[in-house]
Amino acid sequence: GQSLEQPSEVTAVEGAIVQINCTYQTSGFYGLSWYQQHDGGAPTFLSYNALDGLEETGRFSSFLSRSDSYGYLLLQELQMKDSASYFCAVLPTSGTYKYIFGTGTRLKVLA
Amino acid sequence: GAGVSQSPSNKVTEKGKDVELRCDPISGHTALYWYRQSLGQGLEFLIYFQGNSAPDKSGLPSDRFSAERTGGSVSTLTIQRTQQEDSAVYLCASSFEVAGFHRSSGDTQYFGPGTRLTVL
Repeated sequence: GQSLEQPSEVTAVEGAIVQINCTYQTSGFYGLSWYQQHDGGAPTFLSYNALDGLEETGRFSSFLSRSDSYGYLLLQELQMKDSASYFCAVLPTSGTYKYIFGTGTRLKVLA
Repeated sequence: GAGVSQSPSNKVTEKGKDVELRCDPISGHTALYWYRQSLGQGLEFLIYFQGNSAPDKSGLPSDRFSAERTGGSVSTLTIQRTQQEDSAVYLCASSFEVAGFHRSSGDTQYFGPGTRLTVL
């Protein structure tokens, strides 16, 4: 089957760096996306990797390695407002058109 | 509009009743997506539209679920004979175009605030 696995919860302190991993089992996909969702809010797009390597957007960076079936989201200089759930997502290239979202990681930033 | 809007924001219904959820995408966005999110869970993809067409409906949980889009804009998700397991937040998203391999800002999905459905 096709699935994206993430750690359920990560805790870090303000100012720290945290990495949220996403491992997947899918034969092929267009790219790896990351979304942030605050409690009670809608998901918002953070980053997208179509190719292997690192994409940097301000304090957030995302990495993809197709050969290792692995990606991660890196958050630097953590702020309290970064406390949220983070989801990775892919659109498989084969079969039906269905976005697959990861299980989600709840990030808690402590003062 | 400025963003994706959904209505109603909350819906409480009795088991067996039909409900209709509405999504207004960002103006000019050709692609529209419906997701379902149960409490504390990830997003479950339901269906997408390219224009008014939904090429693949296999993500809909059962034949009680249907969706349509008219005029390349507003979409409605209808759930017939609601069951308690249908209780969830239903999220709609839109993008300028359907995602493809080449990175472009056009495939970024913008989500609406969701409709919280509670089936008693």
